Amino acid sequence: NAGVTQTPKFQVLKTGQSMTLQCAQDMNHEYMSWYRQDPGMGLRLIHYSVGAGITDQGEVPNGYNVSRSTTEDFPLRLLSAAPSQTSVYFCASSDRAGGPAETQYFGPGTRLLVL
Amino acid sequence: GENVEQHPSTLSVQEGDSAVIKCTYSDSASNYFPWYKQELGKRPQLIIDIRSNVGEKKDQRIAVTLNKTAKHFSLHITETQPEDSAVYFCAAGYGQNFVFGPGTRLSVLP
Repeated sequence: NAGVTQTPKFQVLKTGQSMTLQCAQDMNHEYMSWYRQDPGMGLRLIHYSVGAGITDQGEVPNGYNVSRSTTEDFPLRLLSAAPSQTSVYFCASSDRAGGPAETQYFGPGTRLLVL
Repeated sequence: GENVEQHPSTLSVQEGDSAVIKCTYSDSASNYFPWYKQELGKRPQLIIDIRSNVGEKKDQRIAVTLNKTAKHFSLHITETQPEDSAVYFCAAGYGQNFVFGPGTRLSVLP
C-alpha cells in the first residue's frame, strides 16, 4: 500500500495561473479531504468528499474546486492563484463515509508558492 | 461550528520531564478527539485518540484525558525524549464537523 500520495511536492505559480494538485489513495477509503496549513493556524479544511460523486465545502473553500469521480482520486484545483494561497496543502483520507471520526491518513503535502 | 483552542503554543522541557498540552472545544456534540504529531517538513501522523465514552487512554509514554463536562482534553507525554520534539495538533468533532487546534511546538532539550 502506498497510502495517500500527492503530486507535485513543490510548485511555484504566478498570480492568476491555475493548477491542479493531485491526491490519490489506495486504501479504498470513502472519506477524503483537503487541508491547508499556514504558520500558527493549524490545519484548515478546504473541501471534503464522503464518496465518489459527492463533495462539500469546508472552512476555507474560496478559490478552490474539487471533484471526486473515483474512490481513489480527489484533485484540488486552484482556479486563479493568489499570493494568499501560498501554503502547504495536505490531502487526507479516512475509512468512514460519515466523516473523519476515524484515523485520518495524510499525504506528504504539496508546498505551493504563489508570486 | 466547532472551535478548538490549544495551549501552550510553544513548550520546552528537559529530557526526561513530562509535557502536557491542553485543548478546549466548543461543541458539546463532538465525540472524537485525536492528537497528531508533525515533525518538521513531514505529514501529520496520529499518535493517540479518544472517544467521548472514555475518560482516559494510555499508550506507553503517551496518554490522553477527556473531560466532557468542561469540554477539554489533554495530551500527556512522560519521560520525554529528543525525538518527541515536534508540533502537536489536537482536533475535535463529529461526523464531518471536524476542526484542528492551532498546534503546540514541543522542544525537548537534552
